[in-house]
Amino acid sequence: DGGITQSPKYLFRKEGQNVTLSCEQNLNHDAMYWYRQDPGQGLRLIYYSQIVNDFQKGDIAEGYSVSREKKESFPLTVTSAQKNPTAFYLCASSKWGGDQETQYFGPGTRLLVL
Amino acid sequence: DQQVKQNSPSLSVQEGRISILNCDYTNSMFDYFLWYKKYPAEGPTFLISISSIKDKNEDGRFTVFLNKSAKHLSLHIVPSQPGDSAVYFCAARISNFGNEKLTFGTGTRLTIIP
Repeated sequence: DGGITQSPKYLFRKEGQNVTLSCEQNLNHDAMYWYRQDPGQGLRLIYYSQIVNDFQKGDIAEGYSVSREKKESFPLTVTSAQKNPTAFYLCASSKWGGDQETQYFGPGTRLLVL
Repeated sequence: DQQVKQNSPSLSVQEGRISILNCDYTNSMFDYFLWYKKYPAEGPTFLISISSIKDKNEDGRFTVFLNKSAKHLSLHIVPSQPGDSAVYFCAARISNFGNEKLTFGTGTRLTIIP
């Protein structure tokens, strides 16, 4: 089955701790994205990557870091610099280029601060 | 600055009737629009999209209408079914080659009343 997997489903972070959220896709998509959803708000783009070893900041990149060493994987690290990390994090992927490509989403990871 | 707006946070519709969800945008550079459906604690799933060269796109019970002069799009669901109860997000994109960034609205929670 082709799709996007995110793990873990729930993650707890202590003060001052960095945590890493996993995102893997087997859709052979070039582009991958990380979004954050807060209650009553839409999805906001954190980082995106269109090819391996390259990524760009989205609208709310402060306090986050990413890597793209493999086409299939795009992990997101929530650093201690992110002061309000509690949110629902969504990973997505799409083909790169073309006029009408659609982004497909994983099931999400809920991050909670202890 | 919210470039994509869904001004109705919630909507209740009787089963079997038509559901109409609205979305407005401010950036005239947007040229591709998508609707996603989201259940709680899950990732959004793609529903339907429309390019700015069209004013209507239909897929089964779902139809999206685009009024470029008014910078307005709407999603019609007919007939509405209980399984349609979810949060619906509209999203917009500027089709710059290789740039798949989506800007999302804040969502409308649709409740179908049996």
